[in-house]
Amino acid sequence: GAVVSQHPSRVICKSGTSVKIECRSLDFQATTMFWYRQFPKQSLMLMATSNEGSKATYEQGVEKDKFLINHASLTLSTLTVTSAHPEDSSFYICSATRTGHEQYFGPGTRLTVT
Amino acid sequence: GENVEQHPSTLSVQEGDSAVIKCTYSDSASNYFPWYKQELGKRPQLIIDIRSNVGEKKDQRIAVTLNKTAKHFSLHITETQPEDSAVYFCAAGPGGNEKLTFGTGTRLTIIP
Repeated sequence: GAVVSQHPSRVICKSGTSVKIECRSLDFQATTMFWYRQFPKQSLMLMATSNEGSKATYEQGVEKDKFLINHASLTLSTLTVTSAHPEDSSFYICSATRTGHEQYFGPGTRLTVT
Repeated sequence: GENVEQHPSTLSVQEGDSAVIKCTYSDSASNYFPWYKQELGKRPQLIIDIRSNVGEKKDQRIAVTLNKTAKHFSLHITETQPEDSAVYFCAAGPGGNEKLTFGTGTRLTIIP
């Protein structure tokens, strides 16, 4: 149990375009989902915390107008990188949790902006 | 906010020996301390966690110790095996559905 999926696993896009990444909890209802960004050989940096039905809480320094997060249901959260630039190229990982449980991580999405 | 420091950044250990990774945290409100193992290009996998009401927890070859007074916790891996080679992250947070702050990671290499 406690499976989290992400789609797509890899995406290449041109500079200036937008990319949407989906995070799904497949076998449980996630009250909270988190979005992280991980640059090569670096740690996981929390971008935002997302609770179903409410606005995401962004970490300091993360542009909420650039990284749009939607958590429309208890099993789905989406991250849209708007007007992507090469410096946005990274590994984006989501996690999902429910009360009293650990965070379950998705497999990650590798974004490359050319 | 919470700040988590992790040492060492790299660690090479002979197969069969023990490995120890240490973390310190700053926020006394943190009560939950998980450890994750991440292989290249893969998702982090929880390997063990500890809550502030206990000082030590063990699961086969893996153990974690917590000193709340000093605000530090450590991961101990005994009888290391080649498949233990990976990057290990510690994290700290209040628990429940609250966010975690991750350490900078330790690249562990087991030398056969």
